[in-house]
Amino acid sequence: NAGVTQTPKFRVLKTGQSMTLLCAQDMNHEYMYWYRQDPGMGLRLIHYSVGEGTTAKGEVPDGYNVSRLKKQNFLLGLESAAPSQTSVYFCASTSTGQGFYGYTFGSGTRLTVV
Amino acid sequence: AQSVTQLGSHVSVSEGALVLLRCNYSSSVPPYLFWYVQYPNQGLQLLLKYTTGATLVKGINGFEAEFKKSETSFHLTKPSAHMSDAAEYFCAVSGSGFQKLVFGTGTRLLVSP
Repeated sequence: NAGVTQTPKFRVLKTGQSMTLLCAQDMNHEYMYWYRQDPGMGLRLIHYSVGEGTTAKGEVPDGYNVSRLKKQNFLLGLESAAPSQTSVYFCASTSTGQGFYGYTFGSGTRLTVV
Repeated sequence: AQSVTQLGSHVSVSEGALVLLRCNYSSSVPPYLFWYVQYPNQGLQLLLKYTTGATLVKGINGFEAEFKKSETSFHLTKPSAHMSDAAEYFCAVSGSGFQKLVFGTGTRLLVSP
């Protein structure tokens, strides 16, 4: 059971380059999230999706775009990377079943922008 | 809106000592509360959760937490620390309709021999 898979695991970008982070889940979860983790700041929500074809902004959306064309995939794009986007990015998912039992997280993508 | 405050960015204990990690929350609706653990270079793993029912919640690896509504707290405890408990711990709260979690800034637990 793979759960939530993030690719790539590591990436170094030059300022101004673009890239896409892929998140895939095999649990048939409706809700998916992208967070960034920075030292001393915990996890901050970038964008989220409540279902296929729908996305919404989180706490820190500037500089990022997302797409959810398929239920199992949630893509995070950086159009023009900046050093301030150096961070560890986590994808998470959850279901809308009875109750709320928290998120399942991927193992993260460590991005460095130089 | 929900918010979480974790007191102490770092907590140091000796192996075998009591572990106490503090979490206070703010929520305008009855909260769901969570503790997650993150080992170095890994993702977050659910440690325990409070949704409804019993206020003392037991989790994995001998951890437990008690939901105290009057104190708006959900502190994490473990009677006897083990070296393998060294990690970062995150408290999180949810109370809004679309299953959104708000995380605290984390507490790094250091365990010395």
